[in-house]
Amino acid sequence: GDSVTQMEGPVTLSEEACLTINCTYTATGYPSLFWYVQYPGEGLQLLLKATKADDKGSNKGFEATYRKETTSFHLEKGSVQVSDSAVYFCAVVAGGGNKLTFGTGTQLKVEL
Amino acid sequence: EPEVTQTPSHQVTQMGQEVILRCVPISNHLYFYWYRQILGQKVEFLVSFYNNEISEKSEIFDDQFSVERPDGSNFTLKIRSTKLEDSAMYFCASSEVQGYGYTFGSGTRLTVV
Repeated sequence: GDSVTQMEGPVTLSEEACLTINCTYTATGYPSLFWYVQYPGEGLQLLLKATKADDKGSNKGFEATYRKETTSFHLEKGSVQVSDSAVYFCAVVAGGGNKLTFGTGTQLKVEL
Repeated sequence: EPEVTQTPSHQVTQMGQEVILRCVPISNHLYFYWYRQILGQKVEFLVSFYNNEISEKSEIFDDQFSVERPDGSNFTLKIRSTKLEDSAMYFCASSEVQGYGYTFGSGTRLTVV
């Protein structure tokens, strides 16, 4: 079945540091890829998405590029803020599929 | 922006009791889903629902679970006889297109004691 592997957390960074959270996937067909964010005490919010190879999703300074050759969708941000502290989930929907498969989540803590 | 609304936000129930978690999906969405997140663990798919029937379910979604769309707006998850291990955050989601454009609700935290 589909699966997502993302780097273990927690990741602790200083404000304005660079962020990379690795994500790789296995899925059938031509999957769509997503990053969701969960702020403390809240639900899941879509951060960004990409639906085909070489697409770059971006939002709020975060970016991720759909790399079919490496089956990866790494999340990056050039300068993190304290307000970015949250849990980030990589997710995939297989081509023609109906359900999201999530990674285990990576907790990000950004300190002053 | 349209939202998926879930009620209650937090429910505490005794083991063995029945609970119903409620969701109001976005009005023009056709696909509905329930997901579960046990504290500190990954978000897991439970069930998808389309055209008034279950389209897919996970192995977690056993006979104690059921879903229903009792009217044109609500989508419910019923757990018949709750167990301690059912304690989790339950998320409802809806989408206009299959497998794309999900919107999640803010979740119901279920605590079974």
